Amino acid sequence: DTGVSQDPRHKITKRGQNVTFRCDPISEHNRLYWYRQTLGQGPEFLTYFQNEAQLEKSRLLSDRFSAERPKGSFSTLEIQRTEQGDSAMYLCASRTSGEETQYFGPGTRLLVL
Amino acid sequence: AQKITQTQPGMFVQEKEAVTLDCTYDTSDPSYGLFWYKQPSSGEMIFLIYQGSYDQQNATEGRYSLNFQKARKSANLVISASQLGDSAMYFCAMREGPYGGATNKLIFGTGTLLAVQP
Repeated sequence: DTGVSQDPRHKITKRGQNVTFRCDPISEHNRLYWYRQTLGQGPEFLTYFQNEAQLEKSRLLSDRFSAERPKGSFSTLEIQRTEQGDSAMYLCASRTSGEETQYFGPGTRLLVL
Repeated sequence: AQKITQTQPGMFVQEKEAVTLDCTYDTSDPSYGLFWYKQPSSGEMIFLIYQGSYDQQNATEGRYSLNFQKARKSANLVISASQLGDSAMYFCAMREGPYGGATNKLIFGTGTLLAVQP
């Protein structure tokens, strides 16, 4: 059983460009979370999917952010017109309905220049 | 609102000694869950241990144990016999809302950086 995977691991982009990150959860996990972690802070919740339905979005998720989980398997997080303040680690986590614990992927480090 | 507080920005411990990382929490929910995660420099959050609010006994997982004091609202992590590989950031987190609720997202503290010295 493989863990949660994320791609890419690192992304450097210029301000104003669009970026897309991918998360592949553990195969039987129907619940998927995106978090953002800035330097010196703990992760902060961005959005949550149960199967393919996006059930909650944080106020941190501005209109420039969109997330999808089209078939209830992998998920994508897109940031449009990136800003320097978007520079952070983007973490994906998944879990099953019957278990408390969220299992995290290795994260995608984004640097906006 | 729920909140996690970790007051130790950084700590040193000698190899093979035990260390306690502090965590206090604030919630008005009678049902909650508390977690500890380890984050090495590579960035991945590694699950260590879980404690449910109704669990009668303190959780243990190998060298990790959770000192759960409900009245004090504290959930300190104890690492016994520290190893060099334990050097990392450690985050305390709380599940928001009752288990089985709509989201059950995690609320994290600011973390404690642990350095194990040989």
